Amino acid sequence: EAQVTQNPRYLITVTGKKLTVTCSQNMNHEYMSWYRQDPGLGLRQIYYSMNVEVTDKGDVPEGYKVSRKEKRNFPLILESPSPNQTSLYFCASSGYAGNTIYFGEGSWLTVV
Amino acid sequence: QKEVEQNSGPLSVPEGAIASLNCTYSDRGSQSFFWYRQYSGKSPELIMFIYSNGDKEDGRFTAQLNKASQYVSLLIRDSQPSDSATYLCAVKVYSGGGADGLTFGKGTHLIIQP
Repeated sequence: EAQVTQNPRYLITVTGKKLTVTCSQNMNHEYMSWYRQDPGLGLRQIYYSMNVEVTDKGDVPEGYKVSRKEKRNFPLILESPSPNQTSLYFCASSGYAGNTIYFGEGSWLTVV
Repeated sequence: QKEVEQNSGPLSVPEGAIASLNCTYSDRGSQSFFWYRQYSGKSPELIMFIYSNGDKEDGRFTAQLNKASQYVSLLIRDSQPSDSATYLCAVKVYSGGGADGLTFGKGTHLIIQP
């Protein structure tokens, strides 16, 4: 079954405590992306990756890091989380043609 | 800066009627256009995509694209209460070595009234 798996699904953390949200896909997709979704602001792209070791900033990259060491994994790293990073996060992947984009189930992150 | 505009709604439509959702985009280089449905707290689900001017039909759904007017719409025929959700329009621009991800509109909240 085609899947994009994110972990954790729910997390409450404290300001400044580094955390990583993992994302893994089993479809051998080249493209992977991270989005955040906030009320009234919609889905906004944080970072994307076109292949292993190839990443680029999206629209709202500040405060985030990513890496793509393996094709299947694209972790999102918050080095020093702040309350304004409280959001619903989605990982997504697609093949080279990019017609069908698969989303993970989302990760609810609260920073207090 | 790529922008995708949608009326946030809520758009209220009686059951069985046609729901019409609209979207405009700013980047004339946009080449692919997507409609997603999202239930509250869930991940977006792809309904359909369209590349060429004109209409594309899939079951009860029809996507319409007019590149000259930078306008894309989604029609839902025979609306059902289960169609009540937020509908996201998204566009993709291809550049350099490949797609650089989607730019989403903020979504239109659709309510189908039984």
